[in-house]
Amino acid sequence: QKEVEQNSGPLSVPEGAIASLNCTYSDRGSQSFFWYRQYSGKSPELIMFIYSNGDKEDGRFTAQLNKASQYVSLLIRDSQPSDSATYLCAVRNSGYSTLTFGKGTMLLVSP
Amino acid sequence: SAVISQKPSRDICQRGTSLTIQCQVDSQVTMMFWYRQQPGQSLTLIATANQGSEATYESGFVIDKFPISRPNLTFSTLTVSNMSPEDSSIYLCSVEGSREHQETQYFGPGTRLLVL
Repeated sequence: QKEVEQNSGPLSVPEGAIASLNCTYSDRGSQSFFWYRQYSGKSPELIMFIYSNGDKEDGRFTAQLNKASQYVSLLIRDSQPSDSATYLCAVRNSGYSTLTFGKGTMLLVSP
Repeated sequence: SAVISQKPSRDICQRGTSLTIQCQVDSQVTMMFWYRQQPGQSLTLIATANQGSEATYESGFVIDKFPISRPNLTFSTLTVSNMSPEDSSIYLCSVEGSREHQETQYFGPGTRLLVL
């Protein structure tokens, strides 16, 4: 059974700090990895995705992928209180269009 | 990304009844997905709905309980049948889109269901 694991948190960081969110996955054949942000009472919003080993930067967000170790991470630089949300890691199942989601990590950014 | 709407946005239902949730997209899409998010939990895929074919259900979900229709490339419905309090959840539809030449999924606003 394909699994995606995340620390549920909450992860608390002060405003301006770097928040580091981690995710591990079990399906070694997975090729694409996604980070979604979900505010309380709202639906998930795609932040970014990565499919090549290494880093991918988009504004204050950096996704990191290590396929050999089967982990993917999301770094948020200069964290803001508005970044406080649950961050969901999703993995595209190999050979399919479907995604498997982790349980999410709650991030709290204090002013 | 596509604009996705869902109806109803929320509902309170009695056990034993059924509720049909609608998902409308502002552009034609091939793949649509239905998810459930139970309180405090992550998203669980119920089924994949392609136009012109039967929905593909994930393990633990059956057509009798969650019948799905996909009459065209912009619309789908999910029915939650013979509801029990355990069906209280957020139901989300998503569509497959393309971003930077990569297939991605975008979510509708969700339907919040409470079964009494």
